[in-house]
This record gives sequence, structure tokens and C-alpha cells, in this order.
Amino acid sequence: AQSVAQPEDQVNVAEGNPLTVKCTYSVSGNPYLFWYVQYPNRGLQFLLKYITGDNLVKGSYGFEAEFNKSQTSFHLKKPSALVSDSALYFCAVRAINTGGFKTIFGAGTRLFVKA
Amino acid sequence: DTEVTQTPKHLVMGMTNKKSLKCEQHMGHRAMYWYKQKAKKPPELMFVYSYEKLSINESVPSRFSPECPNSSLLNLHLHALQPEDSALYLCASSKDRGNEKLFFGSGTQLSVL
Repeated sequence: AQSVAQPEDQVNVAEGNPLTVKCTYSVSGNPYLFWYVQYPNRGLQFLLKYITGDNLVKGSYGFEAEFNKSQTSFHLKKPSALVSDSALYFCAVRAINTGGFKTIFGAGTRLFVKA
Repeated sequence: DTEVTQTPKHLVMGMTNKKSLKCEQHMGHRAMYWYKQKAKKPPELMFVYSYEKLSINESVPSRFSPECPNSSLLNLHLHALQPEDSALYLCASSKDRGNEKLFFGSGTQLSVL
């Protein structure tokens, strides 16, 4: 089965500290992986994606993600967290079904950055 | 213009009402999507349109009826909804089906009384 898992419901970090939001995946074939962020009462915003190439992907707002094929992981990272980074983060994977490709989202991880 | 615009932002309807949600994008994207999101849950795919043709229907009840009048517009017609259909309805678009970088609208918060 094609799926994506985010093992942490919430991550708490102090402003200025590095942050990591975890994601693991299970797909057939080569994975297309994404991170999105959602602020309250808003739609999701694209942060970054991995399709092929370098295992470290850089994205918007200073975020980056590390693809690890052996561990089937795609963790989101940022060297120095800001209070404004507090939001809901979704990992996603492109999956194949009978109608073609579709995006499957993880359950989401709420990031809380304390000043 | 990199926006997906959804109207209305909020909608309250009774179980016998008929209403429509609207979505518009002018990025030249040829794939458009409807998602349903319950509070603190991930978005769940409902429908996918590719080049104005319905390509995925995730076994959505017939009280939800999608329509894609042209490449820029996507509608979701609602009829005889249930209270459990209350949720945030998100529209998204992408350049095409293979390019799954999704651009989301801000959503319509729907309450069914």
C-alpha cells in the first residue's frame, strides 16, 4: 500500500533552535515527495519537493528536507526556528491509482515555536 | 498571478439547500482538484479534473457534484448534504497531472445544519 506517515502529532522547539519534522513513506517505484505548510484558516502552501537528484532539497522560508532512501524517510528541517514557523506541516507523496497519479498526505504535524 | 481563488469563504446551509462552491485559477494549469479537510486532519482527495475531464472520483457521494466549465474554473455543487459533510473544502491546481506541485486556495468553510 502507498502511504506516508508522520509519527509526531506535535513538535515543540524554542526560537533559534534547529527543528526537525519527521516523515516516512511507502510507495511503489521512485518516490515523489513533498512538504506543505498550513496556517490557520488557510489552504496548504508548497514548501519543497524531491523527485530526483541531491538528497538534500532546499525550499521556501529557509526549510530543507533530507531524502534517505534506505530509511524511506523525508524529514523536514530548518537550522533556526522562528515563532512565525508555528503551523501545521504535511508530508505528501505522489501515488499511483487506477485514475492516474494522486497526492496522499500524512496526518500532519503541528509545529509550535516558543519565543 | 499565482493564486487559486475560492468563493465563498464561509457557507452555512441546511440539509435541503442547494449551493455551489467556486474555484478559479489563471495560471494556465490543466489539472484541478477538490479536497475535503476536517479539523486537524489531512486533506482528503475528492475529485481530480485533467484537461477539463473528470479523471478521479474517490467514491464521493452523489450529493457532491463537480463541474469544470473551462480550464480556469472548477465548481462543486452541493445538494442534500448531511451535518457530517461540514468541513473545509479546498480547491487546488497543478500544471498537469504529472506535476503534483499543488497550489491551494484558502478554502470554503462549510457548515451543514
